[in-house]
Amino acid sequence: DIQMTQSPSSLSASVGDRVTITCRASQRMSTFLNWYQQKPGKAPKVLIYAASNLQSGVPSRFSGSGSGTDFTLTINSLQPEDSATYYCQQSYNTPYTFGQGTRLEI
Amino acid sequence: QITLKESGPTLVKPTQTLTLTCTFSGFSLSTTGVGVGWIRQPPGKALEWLALIFWDDDKRYSPSLRSRVTITKDTSKNQVVLTMTNMDPADTATYYCAHRRLGIGLPGVVGNTQNWFDPWGQGTLVTVSS
Repeated sequence: DIQMTQSPSSLSASVGDRVTITCRASQRMSTFLNWYQQKPGKAPKVLIYAASNLQSGVPSRFSGSGSGTDFTLTINSLQPEDSATYYCQQSYNTPYTFGQGTRLEI
Repeated sequence: QITLKESGPTLVKPTQTLTLTCTFSGFSLSTTGVGVGWIRQPPGKALEWLALIFWDDDKRYSPSLRSRVTITKDTSKNQVVLTMTNMDPADTATYYCAHRRLGIGLPGVVGNTQNWFDPWGQGTLVTVSS
């Protein structure tokens, strides 16, 4: 199984800040990495798929990068509505696995 | 527009079998490449992938739950069913079903197509307690 290690587990930032969340895979997996945003009481929504592709309707302040084992989600110019938990997920092979999540407080 | 909705019991007793149904619209599970997955999330914890079923009835399971979980589909009813046996309080979680979307043409590796879960159902909270 591919293990996903996400960091940090939580962070606090201010409106207008830039934040970076990282995800490291236990083996190389090309760009088969997706990022989801989950707000309290809601289902996750995809933000970034295939490492760097922005889901339709997602603000351009969100971006993803990486390949192989190391991936990054960057949020520029933080907004209050970005307060949420963020998860990475590998889709290279089954069993699919998620990171432990990063709780972002604005 | 693709939508999915989970249904089933909200409370089950330890050792009982859980049966959850995912009813979807906006796509067909008989279309090549399509898949539906189940993911759960214990209260306050991370997401955990459980199972996936493909258009051709290929099925994949989480190794840690392989002996307890079964996924099936009813294409005519646009439903996917998850059964989990021998339920335990540790199985208390919100259970989600999700459509597996394919990224045809996206860069990747030969023989492997980019994919992600989109959209998700609203989730259903299942509590295991006597």
